Amino acid sequence: AQSVAQPEDQVNVAEGNPLTVKCTYSVSGNPYLFWYVQYPNRGLQFLLKYITGDNLVKGSYGFEAEFNKSQTSFHLKKPSALVSDSALYFCAVRDTLGGVGGYQKVTFGTGTKLQVIP
Amino acid sequence: KAGVTQTPRYLIKTRGQQVTLSCSPISGHRSVSWYQQTPGQGLQFLFEYFSETQRNKGNFPGRFSGRQFSNSRSEMNVSTLELGDSALYLCASSLTGGNNEKLFFGSGTQLSVL
Repeated sequence: AQSVAQPEDQVNVAEGNPLTVKCTYSVSGNPYLFWYVQYPNRGLQFLLKYITGDNLVKGSYGFEAEFNKSQTSFHLKKPSALVSDSALYFCAVRDTLGGVGGYQKVTFGTGTKLQVIP
Repeated sequence: KAGVTQTPRYLIKTRGQQVTLSCSPISGHRSVSWYQQTPGQGLQFLFEYFSETQRNKGNFPGRFSGRQFSNSRSEMNVSTLELGDSALYLCASSLTGGNNEKLFFGSGTQLSVL
């Protein structure tokens, strides 16, 4: 079974400082990993994904994430936070094993609220 | 290109009633999935449809059902509503539902059960 954990309900960071939003996962095979962002009263928007290859993945709005297989982590990072980055961030995973006909459902974490303080 | 469209945007129902939510995917997308979002629970997977067939199902009671039409539009139905069904229901689409595909989400339907 696949699962994903976001250990922090909320992360506060000062504008201009680097930010990290944590995510760990558990899968039986190999993971496909995703980050999505949700602004107030909006649906989720895709930020970036890791499928295979380079462990450092770059995405939208200056965000990047580092895949660490030994620590089963996929933390979201940004070198310099903006007030406009304040939103709810979701990590998601799909296992390469299991599912129906090879198609696996997406499992989301519970979300981390990022608050960037001016 | 139009995004994922969900209607209605808001719904208020009373316990015991039923409700139908609609989702129109991005043109050309054939996979539609549904999620329930509640504070503290994150997004819970409801089901996924591809080519009018349910391909995956989450751990929700049988009161939650869905279907997909030949034009890929999807509907979700909840019967005998309970207070705990109050949530934001999100629909997402992708080309084929492949495991490495990103999802495109609609703005959601906010359901309040009184």
